[in-house]
Amino acid sequence: ETGVTQTPRHLVMGMTNKKSLKCEQHLGHNAMYWYKQSAKKPLELMFVYNFKEQTENNSVPSRFSPECPNSSHLFLHLHTLQPEDSALYLCASSQDPQRGRQETQYFGPGTRLLVL
Amino acid sequence: GDSVTQMEGPVTLSEEAFLTINCTYTATGYPSLFWYVQYPGEGLQLLLKATKADDKGSNKGFEATYRKETTSFHLEKGSVQVSDSAVYFCALSDRNGGSQGNLIFGKGTKLSVKP
Repeated sequence: ETGVTQTPRHLVMGMTNKKSLKCEQHLGHNAMYWYKQSAKKPLELMFVYNFKEQTENNSVPSRFSPECPNSSHLFLHLHTLQPEDSALYLCASSQDPQRGRQETQYFGPGTRLLVL
Repeated sequence: GDSVTQMEGPVTLSEEAFLTINCTYTATGYPSLFWYVQYPGEGLQLLLKATKADDKGSNKGFEATYRKETTSFHLEKGSVQVSDSAVYFCALSDRNGGSQGNLIFGKGTKLSVKP
């Protein structure tokens, strides 16, 4: 049990659908992250939120829209995705981003997304 | 920019064999180094970390030493078990551009341990 939960665990959607991924952390952390994990590629950082404020957008297409209503919840809204967006989407959290390079991130189990 | 390179998998070993997974990095400054493990169907879990040169991280029989002179952080275990079968990711923290604490990952190495 990592303290970071993600729903749904699996999602199949068409290119015209709109769906949302949810992440919740029960660790009292202040920073949350979205990553994309594709086959044969390194994990790609997508978004970072510190204290509910977005501090990083790693050149992610606008068809991915994050939302962080509070420090415990993070959403990723999806619309008009492409088949190449099929991947495992991982959420992570960390305690205090001001600790910088010593910070440990805790990951959720991921949402396996398939875009048809 | 900063980067992490780890050995290509998959790696297949027999139970009780010795494991080494190589990891080298390129970074400006002094990053922290991490090994994460991903068991089938799960997210990543921190396995061990080291925050400065010559530090040794260890956990569950795994060890890795931060070698600044060779820019390496190789993962080792003296005797692997079937339950160690997973994908292992080497990572470093990224301090550039004000992005304190963000992680840069290698591509992962899949380990399969046979009974």
